[in-house]
Amino acid sequence: NAGVTQTPKFQVLKTGQSMTLQCAQDMNHEYMSWYRQDPGMGLRLIHYSVGAGITDQGEVPNGYNVSRSTTEDFPLRLLSAAPSQTSVYFCASSQGPGELFFGEGSRLTVL
Amino acid sequence: GENVEQHPSTLSVQEGDSAVIKCTYSDSASNYFPWYKQELGKRPQLIIDIRSNVGEKKDQRIAVTLNKTAKHFSLHITETQPEDSAVYFCAASPLISNFGNEKLTFGTGTRLTIIP
Repeated sequence: NAGVTQTPKFQVLKTGQSMTLQCAQDMNHEYMSWYRQDPGMGLRLIHYSVGAGITDQGEVPNGYNVSRSTTEDFPLRLLSAAPSQTSVYFCASSQGPGELFFGEGSRLTVL
Repeated sequence: GENVEQHPSTLSVQEGDSAVIKCTYSDSASNYFPWYKQELGKRPQLIIDIRSNVGEKKDQRIAVTLNKTAKHFSLHITETQPEDSAVYFCAASPLISNFGNEKLTFGTGTRLTIIP
């Protein structure tokens, strides 16, 4: 099993550009989520999904969009990138409540 | 909502000594308390967790204690080794009626450095 796979690992954007961070898992987990990690602020939940076709907002959803068309994939879209979205992004999945399995992370810089 | 505070933010200990990281939480409904370890440039990984029907849990050199009355829980690492150097995150969540980890709140992290 590959676990949780994120792409790209690194990305530089200009303010106003859009992009999609891809996330895929092969563990048949119903729950998937996106976090951002900023220095001194821990991991903050952006959006999550409890199954295909079901998504909801987390703690810091503004400026981000998600969809869940399949169990395996949960892409995160930045609609109009801002410097405040410079961060490291982690996708994570779990089978119900309990252990979260994280991807390797995507480092995004917005100039 | 839940608020998790974690202390200290940085911790340096001599190799072989013990390290203790403390967290407090605010929501009395929280009953699941995991700890994640994140090595430099890597993904967070679960190292141990505890549920509120248990006061202490051990796994080799790692232990977690929970005081529900005071709403605090701690991570204890004994006989520290260089590979213990990492950032450690505590978290808290109520498990009842959760579909996943949507109510999991993380602390801000502790950077642990083991001095050889």
